[in-house]
Amino acid sequence: DSGVTQTPKHLITATGQRVTLRCSPRSGDLSVYWYQQSLDQGLQFLIQYYNGEERAKGNILERFSAQQFPDLHSELNLSSLELGDSALYFCASTGPERETQYFGPGTRLLVL
Amino acid sequence: AQTVTQSQPEMSVQEAETVTLSCTYDTSESDYYLFWYKQPPSRQMILVIRQEAYKQQNATENRFSVNFQKAAKSFSLKISDSQLGDAAMYFCAYRSNQGGSEKLVFGKGTKLTVNP
Repeated sequence: DSGVTQTPKHLITATGQRVTLRCSPRSGDLSVYWYQQSLDQGLQFLIQYYNGEERAKGNILERFSAQQFPDLHSELNLSSLELGDSALYFCASTGPERETQYFGPGTRLLVL
Repeated sequence: AQTVTQSQPEMSVQEAETVTLSCTYDTSESDYYLFWYKQPPSRQMILVIRQEAYKQQNATENRFSVNFQKAAKSFSLKISDSQLGDAAMYFCAYRSNQGGSEKLVFGKGTKLTVNP
């Protein structure tokens, strides 16, 4: 158990819908990272937050957004969902040195 | 941009034997980290081992060790005394340590099968 929690574990929804994925980092970790794992794209970095502020952006679609709250949990919002958004979404967190990322169990999203 | 290549989509090993998974990367940076993560059927991403580029000594964690060749930009993972629980996807990952993004750049992965 990495100490990073993600909810829900599974999510099934329809095209055009909007969903919110939630992540709680390890106790004391200030940085949160979101990754998408799909069969065709592999593991791709989406976005990073540090202590509530956006720090880096990767290949995140405009339909996707994220935020980190004062209690350091983070949410990834996916809207106008398409079939191709079906994937496993991971959250990871790091301690003060921000060297090693510890991953949550992931949220498996299926868009029908 | 940095890239990570894992040239072996699949590997197999007999239980108790040793196997080596290959990883090469491309970067112009001198300061970075390299990681191996394991993803078993549960899909959890589990850190196996970490190597700092400025350290010449190869990292070791119990049965897992790496062969880090900085000049060749090679970072292979050796699993000794393979166990059935080692069966998983293994991902090699790169992280810059020269400011800017701290994102992990992953390879495509190697699926390891352990035969009893």
